Amino acid sequence: EAQVTQNPRYLITVTGKKLTVTCSQNMNHEYMSWYRQDPGLGLRQIYYSMNVEVTDKGDVPEGYKVSRKEKRNFPLILESPSPNQTSLYFCASSTPVHTEAFFGQGTRLTVV
Amino acid sequence: AQTVTQSQPEMSVQEAETVTLSCTYDTSESNYYLFWYKQPPSRQMILVIRQEAYKQQNATENRFSVNFQKAAKSFSLKISDSQLGDTAMYFCALQGRAGSYQLTFGKGTKLSVIP
Repeated sequence: EAQVTQNPRYLITVTGKKLTVTCSQNMNHEYMSWYRQDPGLGLRQIYYSMNVEVTDKGDVPEGYKVSRKEKRNFPLILESPSPNQTSLYFCASSTPVHTEAFFGQGTRLTVV
Repeated sequence: AQTVTQSQPEMSVQEAETVTLSCTYDTSESNYYLFWYKQPPSRQMILVIRQEAYKQQNATENRFSVNFQKAAKSFSLKISDSQLGDTAMYFCALQGRAGSYQLTFGKGTKLSVIP
């Protein structure tokens, strides 16, 4: 089954404790991206990657890091999480040809 | 920069009736895609319908159709014969076809279908 898998789905952590949210896709998509969703703001892009070893900032990259060492994986790293990073996070993948973005099931992150 | 605006934060509709959700956008590109995504309480993002900007014909998927007005940069979603399962957040999104292929979302419209 074609899918994008995010883990964990729920995470509560404390300020300053490094964490990683994993994202993996099995569709051989070149393009992957991370979004955060906040009430009243919709989804905003954090980082994106157009292929292995190619990443770039989206609209709200501050406080986040990403890496793309393999085509299927695109982890999101919060080196020192802060309460304003409490949000719902989505990973998505697509190809330019297909255009449709396939989304993971979301990760609800709470930073206390 | 590209932008997407959804001016209706919340809407409601009676079951079996028709409702239209509004979306306007701005982009400097001549070729792009427009999407409507549905997000039910399960949080999953589900593609409802998509429209290629160079196609004049409005896209249709069963009870869902769009009114695409390229000159006005408007992309509304019409839901016919509304069902309780249509209750969800609906996001309009724009993807450019050059450069970063960035997908830009509107802030969403929360639709409630009333029995």
